[in-house]
Amino acid sequence: AQSVTQLGSHVSVSEGALVLLRCNYSSSVPPYLFWYVQYPNQGLQLLLKYTTGATLVKGINGFEAEFKKSETSFHLTKPSAHMSDAAEYFCAVISTDKLIFGTGTRLQVFP
Amino acid sequence: DTEVTQTPKHLVMGMTNKKSLKCEQHMGHRAMYWYKQKAKKPPELMFVYSYEKLSINESVPSRFSPECPNSSLLNLHLHALQPEDSALYLCASSQVQGADNEQFFGPGTRLTVL
Repeated sequence: AQSVTQLGSHVSVSEGALVLLRCNYSSSVPPYLFWYVQYPNQGLQLLLKYTTGATLVKGINGFEAEFKKSETSFHLTKPSAHMSDAAEYFCAVISTDKLIFGTGTRLQVFP
Repeated sequence: DTEVTQTPKHLVMGMTNKKSLKCEQHMGHRAMYWYKQKAKKPPELMFVYSYEKLSINESVPSRFSPECPNSSLLNLHLHALQPEDSALYLCASSQVQGADNEQFFGPGTRLTVL
């Protein structure tokens, strides 16, 4: 079965700083990978997804992620953090037709 | 319309009550999902319906009973729940099940079992 590991349950950055949220996958075949965001007391919203093709994927709200097969990674980045980016971020992979989530990373943004 | 709606937003019930959660989508999606999310944890899959038929049941206790009356509607019937069942229940839908299909999530129903 495929799985994802998110390194760091909490990440804190200053407003305007680079955001880097880490996700590594375990898969023997090319995976389908997703990043979702969850704001407090809300459902999940898709930021971006990787299926095939271009390894640099651009998403909503200025986020992007790069699929690196050699490192089995799919890290999420944003050049400049906004206060509104404070939320829980989940990396996820499709495994046997099911969406399997990582444990999540809480992003805090300080003024 | 790219929205999944869930009702009610909040639900408080006793262990002897019977209640239902409702989920609706009008995107023409043929796969619908129920997830359970405890605080500070990722969502856990409970059930998947594909073309209105139950496709996956993740060994969920029988006190949770899903129903898919039509392609737009998904219900979760609750009966004799336990306090540990208190959680955020999320509904999602996708065009079809699996592969690279994006799942669209509703805002959830926050359930408290007393």
